[in-house]
Amino acid sequence: EPEVTQTPSHQVTQMGQEVILRCVPISNHLYFYWYRQILGQKVEFLVSFYNNEISEKSEIFDDQFSVERPDGSNFTLKIRSTKLEDSAMYFCASSVSASTEAFFGQGTRLTVV
Amino acid sequence: GESVGLHLPTLSVQEGDNSIINCAYSNSASDYFIWYKQESGKGPQFIIDIRSNMDKRQGQRVTVLLNKTVKHLSLQIAATQPGDSAVYFCAEHSGDYKLSFGAGTTVTVRA
Repeated sequence: EPEVTQTPSHQVTQMGQEVILRCVPISNHLYFYWYRQILGQKVEFLVSFYNNEISEKSEIFDDQFSVERPDGSNFTLKIRSTKLEDSAMYFCASSVSASTEAFFGQGTRLTVV
Repeated sequence: GESVGLHLPTLSVQEGDNSIINCAYSNSASDYFIWYKQESGKGPQFIIDIRSNMDKRQGQRVTVLLNKTVKHLSLQIAATQPGDSAVYFCAEHSGDYKLSFGAGTTVTVRA
């Protein structure tokens, strides 16, 4: 069964460092998303991406965040200068269309120290 | 602001009994809803969805009910099994490209 894969599963970084979280969406999906989940809280939308551009982003997704689809298979989330409060699980998701179910990866646990 | 929320944060159910998980939403313009299951350390897993032109949809052991009059969504799990223990989130398709998640209900199945 096709699935969204994310790497790494766990990333520890020092405050102020840049991190790149990587995702391989399901191959025939056209819409890509990043969500995050702070421990014990609900899943929060960060950004959606379609046709090589950002479709929608939340207030969380400020200038420190960026997304890229560098090739035909990868979808990345970059945080330029990490803060302690960026510590969370980051989930990548993809969907066939904007109004169909999104399939989520297993997440990357980001710990900023 | 508009949000999707759940009535109860936790639900304890006896194995074999039916479970009902509730969710209230406030955006009357939402046209698509999804229930996700999240097990510890994993990503949300799609369970079932429903569009706003429907009141009920059934899957394998699960049923989703949508009451647009009171903006209420529920997930019913028949014959709950230990493997059903997880956090359940309802999500609302709000805006063109995003899902808004509720706070989640932790379901614990007692043997």
